[in-house]
Amino acid sequence: DQQVKQNSPSLSVQEGRISILNCDYTNSMFDYFLWYKKYPAEGPTFLISISSIKDKNEDGRFTVFLNKSAKHLSLHIVPSQPGDSAVYFCAAPSSGGYQKVTFGTGTKLQVIP
Amino acid sequence: NAGVMQNPRHLVRRRGQEARLRCSPMKGHSHVYWYRQLPEEGLKFMVYLQKENIIDESGMPKERFSAEFPKEGPSILRIQQVVRGDSAAYFCASSPNYGTDTQYFGPGTRLTVL
Repeated sequence: DQQVKQNSPSLSVQEGRISILNCDYTNSMFDYFLWYKKYPAEGPTFLISISSIKDKNEDGRFTVFLNKSAKHLSLHIVPSQPGDSAVYFCAAPSSGGYQKVTFGTGTKLQVIP
Repeated sequence: NAGVMQNPRHLVRRRGQEARLRCSPMKGHSHVYWYRQLPEEGLKFMVYLQKENIIDESGMPKERFSAEFPKEGPSILRIQQVVRGDSAAYFCASSPNYGTDTQYFGPGTRLTVL
């Protein structure tokens, strides 16, 4: 049962344009969401998070939007840079006081110079 | 401040051998999590440990896999009698506290079973 889904395995965007990465979830108990970025041969790096009490969180070029009714979130990167090329994972920790994190399958972003 | 360290980075084992993967959390972190990433899949939670305690091992296969986090030294993920299906990248993460604290990931150990 894939509780966090990233239906686009890959995305190509021109440098300077907006990248939009999408994520859907099925577990209505999730109340906190994270995006991780992963380069080849490295571990995931935390990028940005959002609590379910918000519908938007912004950090520099990165903005995450949450639509609770649709159980959908998205990560916007603008402007996209070649260094943003990586795999992006959407993730949600379980409730219960610690981070048993459920990850999506990832979206590989390629930013073309 | 060194990050999460994992060794070895690459490990090759033949079927039936044992694999030991080590994880040293960030300084000051007492919570350790192990995840497994199979090819073309996301990371899957395996186990959550605090010093000398296994808190949640609901993601661990019932047989051949074990984990520990002793009072001194790194956390160890042990896989006995490895099979080809164990080939994956194994990531360790640590955090200072539980709840919504961010987990910091190590670079992973890529296990290949021949």
